[in-house]
Amino acid sequence: GQQLNQSPQSMFIQEGEDVSMNCTSSSIFNTWLWYKQEPGEGPVLLIALYKAGELTSNGRLTAQFGITRKDSFLNISASIPSDVGIYFCAGQLSGEGAGNMLTFGGGTRLMVKP
Amino acid sequence: DSGVTQTPKHLITATGQRVTLRCSPRSGDLSVYWYQQSLDQGLQFLIQYYNGEERAKGNILERFSAQQFPDLHSELNLSSLELGDSALYFCASSPYPGGANTIYFGEGSWLTVV
Repeated sequence: GQQLNQSPQSMFIQEGEDVSMNCTSSSIFNTWLWYKQEPGEGPVLLIALYKAGELTSNGRLTAQFGITRKDSFLNISASIPSDVGIYFCAGQLSGEGAGNMLTFGGGTRLMVKP
Repeated sequence: DSGVTQTPKHLITATGQRVTLRCSPRSGDLSVYWYQQSLDQGLQFLIQYYNGEERAKGNILERFSAQQFPDLHSELNLSSLELGDSALYFCASSPYPGGANTIYFGEGSWLTVV
């Protein structure tokens, strides 16, 4: 089946540093999404991208939908302790039989040192 | 609070047993999705229902089944449980089949098989 390769698997950074993570796929997706999951919670949507080449920001977060539609990246600027969590990329391929299912990457565990 | 309610939050059961996980979608949402999150497989899509009908099926084992009832709540039934079924099971809901940015996840049901 489809697989999303997300890297890095984990990051331990100093507060104030910028963070970058990315996802690549062997298949094309119509939509790319980035989620954050904190302990005891379900994934929460951060950014959704709908067009190849699209660059979207949400506060200190910026994400891009790759031109080939097979990759995406997420940047977090000036990290703060509350950015700690696991970040997941997800791809959606809509259409008959595909429903609305999301294919998730393996996650990037972010740890921020105050 | 995403508005998606899952019960139970934690469940410990023995191998060979059967359990039922319950999900109440957000008010007005017609689609329900089930995902499994495990350490080795990550977040995997299991199945989607829309207004009572199965819409998409992912990596769901034959020992697992789900349904969506007329009041739109959903149940995921897991039978002949094995140690490897220990995982966090998420339910998510959305108003309609499309629109990835409208999918909201519950807090999950932790299943431990011993």
